[in-house]
Amino acid sequence: DAKTTQPTSMDCAEGRAANLPCNHSTISGNEYVYWYRQIHSQGPQYIIHGLKNNETNEMASLIITEDRKSSTLILPHATLRDTAVYYCIVRVHGSGNTGKLIFGQGTTLQVKP
Amino acid sequence: NAGVTQTPKFRILKIGQSMTLQCTQDMNHNYMYWYRQDPGMGLKLIYYSVGAGITDKGEVPNGYNVSRSTTEDFPLRLELAAPSQTSVYFCASSSGLAGTDTQYFGPGTRLTVL
Repeated sequence: DAKTTQPTSMDCAEGRAANLPCNHSTISGNEYVYWYRQIHSQGPQYIIHGLKNNETNEMASLIITEDRKSSTLILPHATLRDTAVYYCIVRVHGSGNTGKLIFGQGTTLQVKP
Repeated sequence: NAGVTQTPKFRILKIGQSMTLQCTQDMNHNYMYWYRQDPGMGLKLIYYSVGAGITDKGEVPNGYNVSRSTTEDFPLRLELAAPSQTSVYFCASSSGLAGTDTQYFGPGTRLTVL
């Protein structure tokens, strides 16, 4: 699975959009980009994933560049409850895949009033 | 559905003691995983299972054992506890189906070895 690079920490004002970048320059054609987050002391929570098209769900949007070497997770209206560590992970889907996730250090997002 | 449940929530062990961390899921998921998380670090995979009777090592398996006799349960065994095993342990499960293999995590077990 490809390695990812994320900033160590970011701040965001409450109510504003939080844009969390992730570099995955060695991503393979069959690897998906996943985002999870971990609120203090809790188990990680799935947010969103995508292959090459932009994706949106009730929690966030995922923008993947055309060359797929980087992506951005967007929380459109950040709240204090979005303060967490955000992990960007790339991995393969499909039969024979064991579903293992390789976690890096992630980005600590601090949403401020 | 309760999702993924873990017991105990907290535990203090003495060096050399043994214990079993319990993990149960009620989503009929084939795949289950054990991770550990040291302070300020990301999660590291200890063991995983793709179905009952099948287990395999992850990144950091030394000092641990697992079994998977049923789809629902995936206990993690520490035989001779060491201070280096002080960590938070998370169990997770996923369906294993292509395109829908989101992992669902339990609340964690906080283990201290003194």
